Amino acid sequence: EVQLFESGGGLVQPGGSLRLSCAASGFSFSGSAMSWVRQAPGKGLEWVSAISGGGISTYFADSVKGRFTISRDNSKNTLSLQMSSLRAEDTALYYCARGGLGYVNTQLDYWGQGTLVTVSS
Amino acid sequence: DIQMTQSPSTLSASVGDTVTITCRASQSISTWLAWYQQKPGKAPNLLIYKASTLESGVPSRFSGSGSGTEFTLTISSLQPDDFATYYCQQYNSYYTFGQGTKLEIK
Repeated sequence: EVQLFESGGGLVQPGGSLRLSCAASGFSFSGSAMSWVRQAPGKGLEWVSAISGGGISTYFADSVKGRFTISRDNSKNTLSLQMSSLRAEDTALYYCARGGLGYVNTQLDYWGQGTLVTVSS
Repeated sequence: DIQMTQSPSTLSASVGDTVTITCRASQSISTWLAWYQQKPGKAPNLLIYKASTLESGVPSRFSGSGSGTEFTLTISSLQPDDFATYYCQQYNSYYTFGQGTKLEIK
């Protein structure tokens, strides 16, 4: 059974940093591109970032480019999102999902339950 | 950037009805389109990918069609469990989601 479990969310002040993690199991993690998608309270879905299976290629939405970094540890089946220079508009539930961008872009077929990030003073 | 526009934003229907949700892309995306269902407090669930391919385990009353810039999601014989919010997503170039369609009970 595919499982994705996000952690690391919390309350952070504007300008601060936070690191989210996603623990994966039940599939070939190193063979799968992965993505982060966020959803602001009461709003729609917004893709944030993606990383190739090997971790070589990374992709970012314009709204987070230069502030967020995506990485993965295939030896620990873990995906990470390092967020810095956080703004109020980054407040959202952050989901990790299997699927991503690259030679062939794919749909997002499995999602975690999300971790909430609140940026507020 | 590719923009995705869904219509309607809200749809009221009754159990047993057939409904259609439309998604338009700002430029051609071939058939690189997925549909997701999201219920309150839950993660999105993939329904359809490649515009018309049903994800494993998804009931056959869900169907998708279209190519290029115009796509539809049709739900036949609505069941109580189908009342939720639906999103389209293009994956031709990066990812973009539509703004969502909330399907409500009439």
